[in-house]
Amino acid sequence: GENVEQHPSTLSVQEGDSAVIKCTYSDSASNYFPWYKQELGKRPQLIIDIRSNVGEKKDQRIAVTLNKTAKHFSLHITETQPEDSAVYFCAASTEGFKTIFGAGTRLFVKA
Amino acid sequence: NAGVMQNPRHLVRRRGQEARLRCSPMKGHSHVYWYRQLPEEGLKFMVYLQKENIIDESGMPKERFSAEFPKEGPSILRIQQVVRGDSAAYFCASSRGQVSTDTQYFGPGTRLTVL
Repeated sequence: GENVEQHPSTLSVQEGDSAVIKCTYSDSASNYFPWYKQELGKRPQLIIDIRSNVGEKKDQRIAVTLNKTAKHFSLHITETQPEDSAVYFCAASTEGFKTIFGAGTRLFVKA
Repeated sequence: NAGVMQNPRHLVRRRGQEARLRCSPMKGHSHVYWYRQLPEEGLKFMVYLQKENIIDESGMPKERFSAEFPKEGPSILRIQQVVRGDSAAYFCASSRGQVSTDTQYFGPGTRLTVL
């Protein structure tokens, strides 16, 4: 069945450094890739998304890249801040089917 | 514009009882998704519904679990004869539904505890 793998499961960075989270997906028909941030005890919140007709998208300190050939997509956070500490989930969605989420990456930003 | 609403926020049930979780989508959204999240784990897809229709229930256990999204009122996830393993956070999300790859917006979740 469809699968989304996410790495690393835990990531610890120093404040100001960059953080990169990578995901791979199995369904070549997937065409929508959102990223969610979930703080402890809170709901997942969309932070950025990308569709298959675009290779890269940026929003201030956050960027996402997509390589459809390799079925990879990545989240890049620059100039990390302590408030970026949370669990981040990638997901892959296919027209007419369910959305599959990765297992999550716990990001710690040390002040 | 209110976001996705879920109630109750916390629900405690004893083994064998029934749990009913409600989800009201955002205004203008016609598709609802239910996910289960165990502590320290990811979001597991359960079911995807539009008004009066189940589109995909492949992630929902065949027994004891059911979901509906009636023409009027909230979507309901129903768990019969709950067991301790059902303890989890249940999130619903909604989307406009124009295409199934529309952005999903999550509710605050219902935390179910089975004693």
